[in-house]
Amino acid sequence: DAMVIQNPRYQVTQFGKPVTLSCSQTLNHNVMYWYQQKSSQAPKLLFHYYDKDFNNEADTPDNFQSRRPNTSFCFLDIRSPGLGDAAMYLCATSRDVFGTTALTEAFFGQGTRLTVV
Amino acid sequence: DAKTTQPPSMDCAEGRAANLPCNHSTISGNEYVYWYRQIHSQGPQYIIHGLKNNETNEMASLIITEDRKSSTLILPHATLRDTAVYYCIVSLSEKLVFGKGTKLTVNP
Repeated sequence: DAMVIQNPRYQVTQFGKPVTLSCSQTLNHNVMYWYQQKSSQAPKLLFHYYDKDFNNEADTPDNFQSRRPNTSFCFLDIRSPGLGDAAMYLCATSRDVFGTTALTEAFFGQGTRLTVV
Repeated sequence: DAKTTQPPSMDCAEGRAANLPCNHSTISGNEYVYWYRQIHSQGPQYIIHGLKNNETNEMASLIITEDRKSSTLILPHATLRDTAVYYCIVSLSEKLVFGKGTKLTVNP
């Protein structure tokens, strides 16, 4: 059974038209991440939530926002998509943060492929 | 920036062992080494992780050198479905930061 679910799998949006991608999890994990992956590149972390605490990466453009209304759901909002924002967007969860003594792993969704026209 | 170095690509014959190296010479004492893979058009998949000791699970084995500056992921009997990009990651400040990975191609 899918544990991290991203909807939709494919999204087409118009240049400059706001778009929202969604992610839900059934794992009751504390941490949720959003990654952007462009063609032939590694996933790039945009931001993450630890519970309700939002942590933005320093180089994430202001055009990207996120909301986490409850433990299970997290949204990625792109306020004014440009052609350069076309990418796969990956959501992931983990029970706890990395780099601690607690062993943890991240579970990824299948991703949403965003096309900007 | 990622703290790991991996070869950009490797080939392996089906049924043979695939040995994927990773250099992480700046790893600190309490940082874990994680391996993920990403099959084309799918989300990354967890494979294995370790701190000091060698680890084995149903997917792979992880060999970490005694000084912890490098590790090797071993797929003991590679299949065509193991063709993917393999990422070696050292946890960085509470986050998973991906490097460029190794594209492993398993050939018939």
